[in-house]
Amino acid sequence: GENVEQHPSTLSVQEGDSAVIKCTYSDSASNYFPWYKQELGKGPQLIIDIRSNVGEKKDQRIAVTLNKTAKHFSLHITETQPEDSAVYFCAASKTNTGFQKLVFGTGTRLLVSP
Amino acid sequence: DSGVTQTPKHLITATGQRVTLRCSPRSGDLSVYWYQQSLDQGLQFLIHYYNGEERAKGNILERFSAQQFPDLHSELNLSSLELGDSALYFCASRPWGGDTGELFFGEGSRLTVL
Repeated sequence: GENVEQHPSTLSVQEGDSAVIKCTYSDSASNYFPWYKQELGKGPQLIIDIRSNVGEKKDQRIAVTLNKTAKHFSLHITETQPEDSAVYFCAASKTNTGFQKLVFGTGTRLLVSP
Repeated sequence: DSGVTQTPKHLITATGQRVTLRCSPRSGDLSVYWYQQSLDQGLQFLIHYYNGEERAKGNILERFSAQQFPDLHSELNLSSLELGDSALYFCASRPWGGDTGELFFGEGSRLTVL
């Protein structure tokens, strides 16, 4: 089955710096890669996703890149702010199975210091 | 507020006991997913139901079972509880139709086994 690895497990940056979180997946048939943000005491919430037919997607300060050959995708947050502090999860799934199983990475705790 | 409701929010019980966690998906969502979140374990996929039928299983223990009822709410039953079952259990729902893979998570049920 699919296995998703995520690094680093913790990341501390200064406000205004950039943050990068990396994930690798094992199943070459996976074609949908979302990123979720989990704030303290809440459930995860989707922040951005990418499908395998594109290599990069941006939404304001957030961007995701995908390298299908290497089975690797990354989350980039620019101009970080204290409110970006949270746990971030990457995930992988297959759209042709009706998203039957969304497999998550182990999470990255991001701390943005003022 | 994601629109997904989970009860109870907190539950404390003893080893060997049985508990039931309940999830009400967003109005109209036919898919329900269950995840277990333990410390340092990320989000472990347990099971996915679509319109009352089981669609995919993850690493769900035999002591655990789930079902989705005709009104689309779902229940996760955990029996013969062990200390290691202490975790946050999340339910998520996904919109019917279209091609969106976004999951909407509830705020979780925190289970403590003493």
